[in-house]
Amino acid sequence: QLQLQESGPGLVKSSETLSLTCTVSGGSIRSSSSYWAWIRQPPGKGLEWIGSIFHSGSSYLNPSLMRRVNMSIDKSKSQFSLRVDSVTAADRAVYFCARISWTWHIDLWGRGTLVTVS
Amino acid sequence: QSALTQPASVSGSPGQSITISCTGSSSDIGAYDYVSWNQQYPGKAPKLIIYDVNNRPSGVSTRFSGSKSGDTASLTISGLQAEDEATYYCSSYGNSNFLVFGGGTKLTVL
Repeated sequence: QLQLQESGPGLVKSSETLSLTCTVSGGSIRSSSSYWAWIRQPPGKGLEWIGSIFHSGSSYLNPSLMRRVNMSIDKSKSQFSLRVDSVTAADRAVYFCARISWTWHIDLWGRGTLVTVS
Repeated sequence: QSALTQPASVSGSPGQSITISCTGSSSDIGAYDYVSWNQQYPGKAPKLIIYDVNNRPSGVSTRFSGSKSGDTASLTISGLQAEDEATYYCSSYGNSNFLVFGGGTKLTVL
């Protein structure tokens, strides 16, 4: 059964870069019917879509974040990654990686990882 | 692309039915049948319970149902149970390959 696992530093200094990786196991990252995505949730608040990436490398990003965000995919490692530049306290959140179907519903979530900005 | 609008909270007694609304616009809910609902317990990842407006993933109780009219989608939970107490998020695909969420609705089972 396909699983997603986020990894990366739990603490990032203000103005520096947040980098997270999601490892896909138990299935193929090359699916032609799914996107891979990052979603975040500030403590006690709602969900925010950051962006989605296809196995080809093409991506769609939230316009409110796109100037600071980059997503990439490494099919050889079955991983996709997120980078957020120039972080501030507002970027403190639980970051989830996820799989999005072609009809844009999230059918699989990672457990999430809390990133704090110091 | 503005967030979808959900009530902050709803409540109901065991056995009752409740409905959570999710209002968007002609650029998202009104334009596409790509509305989904996720259930989230505190400290846990969300879980998909409804997709494509009114479809349930395998294993999700038939007590959960979804619908849509115009720019507003709805989630109905019938036969309310204590285990349904959670926060529910709607989401929709929007123009220009964008995914937008609602602010979440906390359901309290009295």
